[in-house]
Amino acid sequence: NAGVTQTPKFQVLKTGQSMTLQCAQDMNHEYMSWYRQDPGMGLRLIHYSVGAGITDQGEVPNGYNVSRSTTEDFPLRLLSAAPSQTSVYFCASRQTGFGYTFGSGTRLTVV
Amino acid sequence: GENVEQHPSTLSVQEGDSAVIKCTYSDSASNYFPWYKQELGKGPQLIIDIRSNVGEKKDQRIAVTLNKTAKHFSLHITETQPEDSAVYFCAGSRYGGSQGNLIFGKGTKLSVKP
Repeated sequence: NAGVTQTPKFQVLKTGQSMTLQCAQDMNHEYMSWYRQDPGMGLRLIHYSVGAGITDQGEVPNGYNVSRSTTEDFPLRLLSAAPSQTSVYFCASRQTGFGYTFGSGTRLTVV
Repeated sequence: GENVEQHPSTLSVQEGDSAVIKCTYSDSASNYFPWYKQELGKGPQLIIDIRSNVGEKKDQRIAVTLNKTAKHFSLHITETQPEDSAVYFCAGSRYGGSQGNLIFGKGTKLSVKP
């Protein structure tokens, strides 16, 4: 099993550009989430999904969109990148009764 | 909503000593408290977790204690080794359904000196 796979690992964007961070899991987990990690801020929840077709906002959703068309995939879209979105992004998934498994992260820089 | 506070932010110990990291939470309905270890350049990895119906849980050199009345929980690492050096995060949640999202503390950077 690959677990939770995130692509790309690194990305540099110009302000105003859009892009999609990919996340895929092969564990048939119901729940998937996106977190961003900033120095001294811990991990903050952006969006989450409790199953295919169901998504909801987390703590810091502004500037991001998500969709969940399949159980496996949970892409995160940046609509118009801003320097404040420079961060490390982690996707995570879990099955009922178990803890989250995290991907290895995407380091995004917006210039 | 839930708020999780974690102390200290940095912790330095000598190899072989014990390390203790403490967290408090605000939501009395929270019932699941995991701890994650994050090594440089990697994603967080679950090392131990505890449910609210248990007061203590051990796994080799790692233990977690939970005081529901005081709403705090702690991570204890005994006989620390250099490979224990990492950032540790505590988290809390109401386990299950759409309220199963983890709210994280801000992390503790543990340094174990050989």
